[in-house]
Amino acid sequence: DGGITQSPKYLFRKEGQNVTLSCEQNLNHDAMYWYRQDPGQGLRLIYYSQIVNDFQKGDIAEGYSVSREKKESFPLTVTSAQKNPTAFYLCASSMAGPSTDTQYFGPGTRLTVL
Amino acid sequence: AQSVTQLDSQVPVFEEAPVELRCNYSSSVSVYLFWYVQYPNQGLQLLLKYLSGSTLVKGINGFEAEFNKSQTSFHLRKPSVHISDTAEYFCAASYQGNTPLVFGKGTRLSVIA
Repeated sequence: DGGITQSPKYLFRKEGQNVTLSCEQNLNHDAMYWYRQDPGQGLRLIYYSQIVNDFQKGDIAEGYSVSREKKESFPLTVTSAQKNPTAFYLCASSMAGPSTDTQYFGPGTRLTVL
Repeated sequence: AQSVTQLDSQVPVFEEAPVELRCNYSSSVSVYLFWYVQYPNQGLQLLLKYLSGSTLVKGINGFEAEFNKSQTSFHLRKPSVHISDTAEYFCAASYQGNTPLVFGKGTRLSVIA
């Protein structure tokens, strides 16, 4: 089955710890995205990547970092610099660029910082 | 900055009744418009999109939307809803160039039996 896998589904961390969220796709898509979802806020773009070894900041990149060493993988690290990291994180991918292509979403990771 | 406004945060509707979820976007020469649906604790799934051509766009699950340039709107409609349509619906837009999607804050549709 083709799709996007995010792991884990639920993640708990202590304040001050860095944590990495996994995102893998087997759709052979070039572009991948990370969004943060908070109640009543919609989706806000953290980072996106249109090609391996290249990525761009989104609207709320502060306190987050990413890498794109392989086409299939786009991990997101939530660092201790992120002031309010508790949220639902969604990864997505699309065939090519972000403006016209359908984005396919993973099931999400719910991060809770204690 | 470009924006997308979903005018209703919650819409309750009885089963088999029609529904309209409203979306307005920032005026732009070139805009691409999308509606996505999110079922509880899941990712988003595309319902439909407008890139060009006919202003009436038909999507999955009986939904349709109409692109209205003069009103800068892209409202989503369904003539008869089912309990299974209960979900959160997001309108999104991409503006000139290869720019990322801008999402609205979502509308929670609750279908009442």
